[in-house]
Amino acid sequence: DGGITQSPKYLFRKEGQNVTLSCEQNLNHDAMYWYRQDPGQGLRLIYYSQIVNDFQKGDIAEGYSVSREKKESFPLTVTSAQKNPTAFYLCASRILRGEQFFGPGTRLTVL
Amino acid sequence: GESVGLHLPTLSVQEGDNSIINCAYSNSASDYFIWYKQESGKGPQFIIDIRSNMDKRQGQRVTVLLNKTVKHLSLQIAATQPGDSAVYFCAESIQAGTALIFGKGTTLSVSS
Repeated sequence: DGGITQSPKYLFRKEGQNVTLSCEQNLNHDAMYWYRQDPGQGLRLIYYSQIVNDFQKGDIAEGYSVSREKKESFPLTVTSAQKNPTAFYLCASRILRGEQFFGPGTRLTVL
Repeated sequence: GESVGLHLPTLSVQEGDNSIINCAYSNSASDYFIWYKQESGKGPQFIIDIRSNMDKRQGQRVTVLLNKTVKHLSLQIAATQPGDSAVYFCAESIQAGTALIFGKGTTLSVSS
């Protein structure tokens, strides 16, 4: 099956911890994206990457970090500097100028 | 402020009716638009897209209309079914390859 996978589905973080959310795609898409969604809200862009070893900050990058060492993978680290990390995190990938597809999401909760 | 927004946060229709969900965008340079459906606890699902060189595009039970004069986008769902109940987002892309910009969404509720 081709698609985008995110893991874990649910993640719990203690105060002061860094956690990493996984995103993998086997669609051979060049671009990958991370969004954050809060209850009743739209999607806000955290980071995106258009090619391997390159990425750009989105609208709400503070407290987050990413890497793009492989075309298929775009992990997101939520650092302790992110003061309000509880949210639904969505990864997406896209052929440039084409349709953008989303993964199933990871729900992060701070304990 | 947001580049893309929706006129109504909620829309309630009866099963079998046609639904129209509206979206306004502010940037006349946007050249690509897309509609997504998101069910509770899931990732957004692609519905249909349209480029700025088109006015209308049809899919299965769905039609997207683009009015560049007034910067308005709409999604029409024919014969709405209970399974269509979800949050619908429109999004725009200003330049080729740049990230999509999303609005807050419209919640569609379909009653039997």
